[in-house]
Amino acid sequence: NAGVTQTPKFRVLKTGQSMTLLCAQDMNHEYMYWYRQDPGMGLRLIHYSVGEGTTAKGEVPDGYNVSRLKKQNFLLGLESAAPSQTSVYFCASSGNRDRGPLGNQPQHFGDGTRLSIL
Amino acid sequence: AQSVAQPEDQVNVAEGNPLTVKCTYSVSGNPYLFWYVQYPNRGLQFLLKYITGDNLVKGSYGFEAEFNKSQTSFHLKKPSALVSDSALYFCAVRDPFEGGGNKLTFGTGTQLKVEL
Repeated sequence: NAGVTQTPKFRVLKTGQSMTLLCAQDMNHEYMYWYRQDPGMGLRLIHYSVGEGTTAKGEVPDGYNVSRLKKQNFLLGLESAAPSQTSVYFCASSGNRDRGPLGNQPQHFGDGTRLSIL
Repeated sequence: AQSVAQPEDQVNVAEGNPLTVKCTYSVSGNPYLFWYVQYPNRGLQFLLKYITGDNLVKGSYGFEAEFNKSQTSFHLKKPSALVSDSALYFCAVRDPFEGGGNKLTFGTGTQLKVEL
């Protein structure tokens, strides 16, 4: 049982380049999330999804796009990378309908993608 | 809007002593509260949660937290700290009436350092 898997683990980009971060979960979770973690700022929600084919904006969505074409996958895209997007990105998932009320269940996190933009 | 405050950037404690990591919250309704731990170069790991019921919640690795509605606090505690408890701890809150998706608001984190 792998839980939440993020690909890649590390990446260095040049300003203006694009890339896609992949998140996969094998827990049959309904909800998925993308966060960024910056020193002294905790985790901030970028985008999230409440089900296959749905996405919604979080606290800091500008410069990012997401897609959830399959229930188990949640992709985060950077169309034109900027140095301000240098961060550690975490994917999380929650909410298995076989485990009781979705609202009571904690989020499960991947180990992050460390992204540097030069 | 919901918010969380962790007033201490770092907490130092000697091994074997009790530890407390503080958290206060603000929500419009009754809160759902969570504690997570993060070890270096890893993702966040769930420790415990308060949804309803008994104000004292027990979680993983001997940790517990006490929900105090009047003080809007949810402090993390452990009776006897271990060096291996040294990590970054995050408190998070969810307002169950603020939309769907189980969105959490995280505090800025408290670095716990347990020394011999």
